[in-house]
Amino acid sequence: DIQMTQSPSSLSASVGDRVMITCRASQDINSFLNWYQQKPGKAPKLLIFAASSLQHGVPSRFRGNGSGTHFTLTISSLQPEDFAAYYCQQTYSAPEFTFGPGTKVDIK
Amino acid sequence: QVQLQESGPGLVKPSQTLSLTCSVSGGSITSDSYYWSWIRQPAGKGLEWIGRIYTSGSTNNNPSLKSRVTISVDTSKNQFSLKLTSVTAADTAVYYCARGFYRVRGGIGEYYGLDVWGQGTTVTVSS
Repeated sequence: DIQMTQSPSSLSASVGDRVMITCRASQDINSFLNWYQQKPGKAPKLLIFAASSLQHGVPSRFRGNGSGTHFTLTISSLQPEDFAAYYCQQTYSAPEFTFGPGTKVDIK
Repeated sequence: QVQLQESGPGLVKPSQTLSLTCSVSGGSITSDSYYWSWIRQPAGKGLEWIGRIYTSGSTNNNPSLKSRVTISVDTSKNQFSLKLTSVTAADTAVYYCARGFYRVRGGIGEYYGLDVWGQGTTVTVSS
């Protein structure tokens, strides 16, 4: 089974900061990596699919990069509505489309 | 615009079976290029993939849940369902249904993210 890790597990940042979250897979997953944003009490929202493709309606300040085992999500200029938890997910290998443990972004 | 809505009991006794249904509105569950999934999230914790189903009835489930999981689809009702047997307190969580998309290239399925989610339903396992 493919294991996913994320770093950091949490971070504090200010509005306007550039933020980068890293996701690593335990084996090569090509570019089958997705990123989600989840706010408290809400369902996750798809931000990025296929490592770098922006989902419709997602602001361009969100950028995904990477392939193989190393991926990043970058928020170029953090906005107040971006304070949330972020999860990566691999959809390369069935049967389990594993999620990463999450990264919580809160206000400094 | 496709919407998903989970429904089912909010309280289940230990050793019993958890049963949830996801109703799909605004589109057909038989639409090409989609698969239908269940995910859960214990309070304060991360997301756990439970499994997925295609409208053909083919399924894939999380091995960690072993044979306790059954996912089924009812195309006549535009719904899909989750059954989890022999529940314990560890199965207490918010349960989400979601739609994923995929394409077939060279006879091989390429799977992408979960683009539509239900709002989630809280299930507590307690006597």
